[in-house]
Amino acid sequence: EAGVTQFPSHSVIEKGQTVTLRCDPISGHDNLYWYRRVMGKEIKFLLHFVKESKQDESGMPNNRFLAERTGGTYSTLKVQPAELEDSGVYFCASSPQVEFQLGPHEQYFGPGTRLTVT
Amino acid sequence: KNEVEQSPQNLTAQEGEFITINCSYSVGISALHWLQQHPGGGIVSLFMLSSGKKKHGRLIATINIQEKHSSLHITASQLSDSASYICVVRSGTYKYIFGTGTRLKVLA
Repeated sequence: EAGVTQFPSHSVIEKGQTVTLRCDPISGHDNLYWYRRVMGKEIKFLLHFVKESKQDESGMPNNRFLAERTGGTYSTLKVQPAELEDSGVYFCASSPQVEFQLGPHEQYFGPGTRLTVT
Repeated sequence: KNEVEQSPQNLTAQEGEFITINCSYSVGISALHWLQQHPGGGIVSLFMLSSGKKKHGRLIATINIQEKHSSLHITASQLSDSASYICVVRSGTYKYIFGTGTRLKVLA
């Protein structure tokens, strides 16, 4: 079974440009999560989709970030315009449960996309 | 038996008290996270540990790899500490197993 995949693995862009990150969850997983780890800091939650609906987007830092999950399959996270502080690793995770509940449950993480804004 | 267990599941404390939340796990891990989630809010990662002890403000996290146990301590608890605290272990390359969570309520 294929795991969670993310594309690209690494992106280098200039400040002010736009970047779109993609996440393909494990097939059949309704829940999809985006997290990011900014350099030197802990992982932070960004948002949570249940199928195509945004269940919780309280972690999105500002309106330069836009996440979509059309059709409830893969998801994209667009940063427009990118700023220097957006540099970091963006992780996507998926889980099969219908509703997000406090554990125990597993989230399968993708390898991450390393974003560098120069 | 869950692979990651926390205790207690629910905790009520008076403002100013010292609080300890425990996490025990039965799988091999490469890292352990402590997360905080406020009601209706997203998750914030408080600590990531692979050994020893970390401190951030009033929060202290420790891990004992041999005993497969971690603790989260909150000193001089405040009302704003009321939240759920979740222990998450990283087992395998990208597999994270969440603990049962501890719901903390701090009273004035």
